[in-house]
Amino acid sequence: GAGVSQSPSNKVTEKGKDVELRCDPISGHTALYWYRQSLGQGLEFLIYFQGNSAPDKSGLPSDRFSAERTGGSVSTLTIQRTQQEDSAVYLCASSLGEPGGSKTQYFGPGTRLLVL
Amino acid sequence: LAKTTQPISMDSYEGQEVNITCSHNNIATNDYITWYQQFPSQGPRFIIQGYKTKVTNEVASLFIPADRKSSTLSLPRVSLSDTAVYYCLVGDRGGNTPLVFGKGTRLSVIA
Repeated sequence: GAGVSQSPSNKVTEKGKDVELRCDPISGHTALYWYRQSLGQGLEFLIYFQGNSAPDKSGLPSDRFSAERTGGSVSTLTIQRTQQEDSAVYLCASSLGEPGGSKTQYFGPGTRLLVL
Repeated sequence: LAKTTQPISMDSYEGQEVNITCSHNNIATNDYITWYQQFPSQGPRFIIQGYKTKVTNEVASLFIPADRKSSTLSLPRVSLSDTAVYYCLVGDRGGNTPLVFGKGTRLSVIA
């Protein structure tokens, strides 16, 4: 079946502009995660959605970052007034999220964001 | 969330067995240990998960001692294509707390 998809695959923007990154999780997966990975670094957790629960926003680095998940499926990560330090690969993952399950996360290919 | 500690990097020659150890001294009773692999320019992918003793699949083995304060990912006879970053995660499968990735171990396999 289809895996996690993300769009766009690459995004170049100018400092100060807003960007929207999209994630389509695997059908039926109730949990969805956003991560950020700078060049040569590990993954930085940003935000987590689980079903109808309030999202865990504890990883968002500033109020310029926000995310939505509509209808429990597609998610959009929005970065307002982008800064050069926002340049990174933004990865989305989904998992079944069922209680007691393995919570295996399936990752998309990522969106490479470059802020000039 | 239990904190994990892994070596930053490791080197190995092709054909050797590679063992990557992860320390998780504060692991909780309900926590499982999961390893992911990340190739350059790709998202991480699940390798193996275990709770205690030994787990083996077609990719790797996971050894967990009785006190569960550490775990070792064992890759048999590595090849150049095993060059990747390997992440150790510890977390509760039952709750809503997401698993969080650390910095991982960068494995370089040399011909």
